Amino acid sequence: QKEVEQNSGPLSVPEGAIASLNCTYSDRVSQSFFWYRQYSGKSPELIMSIYSNGDKEDGRFTAQLNKASQYVSLLIRDSQPSDSATYLCAVNEGTSGTYKYIFGTGTRLKVLA
Amino acid sequence: SAVISQKPSRDICQRGTSLTIQCQVDSQVTMMFWYRQQPGQSLTLIATANQGSEATYESGFVIDKFPISRPNLTFSTLTVSNMSPEDSSIYLCSVASGRAREQFFGPGTRLTVL
Repeated sequence: QKEVEQNSGPLSVPEGAIASLNCTYSDRVSQSFFWYRQYSGKSPELIMSIYSNGDKEDGRFTAQLNKASQYVSLLIRDSQPSDSATYLCAVNEGTSGTYKYIFGTGTRLKVLA
Repeated sequence: SAVISQKPSRDICQRGTSLTIQCQVDSQVTMMFWYRQQPGQSLTLIATANQGSEATYESGFVIDKFPISRPNLTFSTLTVSNMSPEDSSIYLCSVASGRAREQFFGPGTRLTVL
């Protein structure tokens, strides 16, 4: 059974702090990794994708991937109350030929003003 | 990214009836998927909608209950058949194209079955 695990939270951070969200996955052959943000009552919105080991930065967001440890994380710098949402980690299932994802259960982030 | 619309955005239905949900994309896409998200839960993949052929269903989902059509590269429908209150959920379509394999979601359909 292929799995993607996240801490459900809530993770509470003060405004301006760094929020660190973590995700582990079981399928060693996965090649593509994604972070989605989902506001309450809305559909998931893609915020980051990462394919290679190391860090990928986009504005206040940094995704980190370590395939050896089967670990992917998302850092949000200078957290804002508007970042309060559920963050879903998704892993491309299996080899590079498929588009299917396995989703984690999501981490609820609360940024306190 | 593609603009994705879903109809209806929400509906309240009676037990035993069926509802068809439409997903329309403004550009041709390789893949279309249907997901279910129950309250407080993550996303569960129902099926992959294949253009011109039968959908590929995930374990626990069957064609008789969730028939899917995909007549072209921009449109798909999901029907929830013989509904029961347990089918109350948000139904989401997503689309993907290209080597990046990024999926983009429609706004969702909130279904309540009484």
